[in-house]
Amino acid sequence: DAKTTQPNSMESNEEEPVHLPCNHSTISGTDYIHWYRQLPSQGPEYVIHGLTSNVNNRMASLAIAEDRKSSTLILHRATLRDAAVYYCILSSSSGAGSYQLTFGKGTKLSVIP
Amino acid sequence: AAGVIQSPRHLIKEKRETATLKCYPIPRHDTVYWYQQGPGQDPQFLISFYEKMQSDKGSIPDRFSAQQFSDYHSELNMSSLELGDSALYFCASSLKGSWYGYTFGSGTRLTVV
Repeated sequence: DAKTTQPNSMESNEEEPVHLPCNHSTISGTDYIHWYRQLPSQGPEYVIHGLTSNVNNRMASLAIAEDRKSSTLILHRATLRDAAVYYCILSSSSGAGSYQLTFGKGTKLSVIP
Repeated sequence: AAGVIQSPRHLIKEKRETATLKCYPIPRHDTVYWYQQGPGQDPQFLISFYEKMQSDKGSIPDRFSAQQFSDYHSELNMSSLELGDSALYFCASSLKGSWYGYTFGSGTRLTVV
């Protein structure tokens, strides 16, 4: 599976935007870029995903570089509830129709009141 | 909305005992995934099932087995438990062809003493 590289930790002030970077220089043409987050003592939670174009949803935006070798998750206004570990994951599909997510080292985001 | 249900939430077992963890996916989801997360670690993929057939296998020990039943719920059976099996075990479900990502349960915390 193609690997991703993320900073170990980041800090943000409450109500300010946060840009979480992810490098994936060995991404293949069919790999989707997924972002999940895990709040303390909870299961991971889907945030957003994309292939080539930038994506927006109610939780965040995903900016994908033109060469797809990097991406950035954007939280437009960080709240205390956004403090979590954020994982950038490249999907790999299996023959049975499901796609496997392999979690690497994510970025621990701290939000300062 | 219905979520992924895992039971039990907490489980304490002694070394060499067996444990069975249960997962009830979101209705109509056809794929179930199991992950193990040790203390301070990132989630590690164990195994997945699509339409009741094993679809992918990760770092699941031979002492562990799993299956998906006709009602799509899944069980992870763990035998000859070791202290190192103490971890959070997450189940996730998804629907083939749907790009809403995985939905994770709240996990089962297994403590082996």
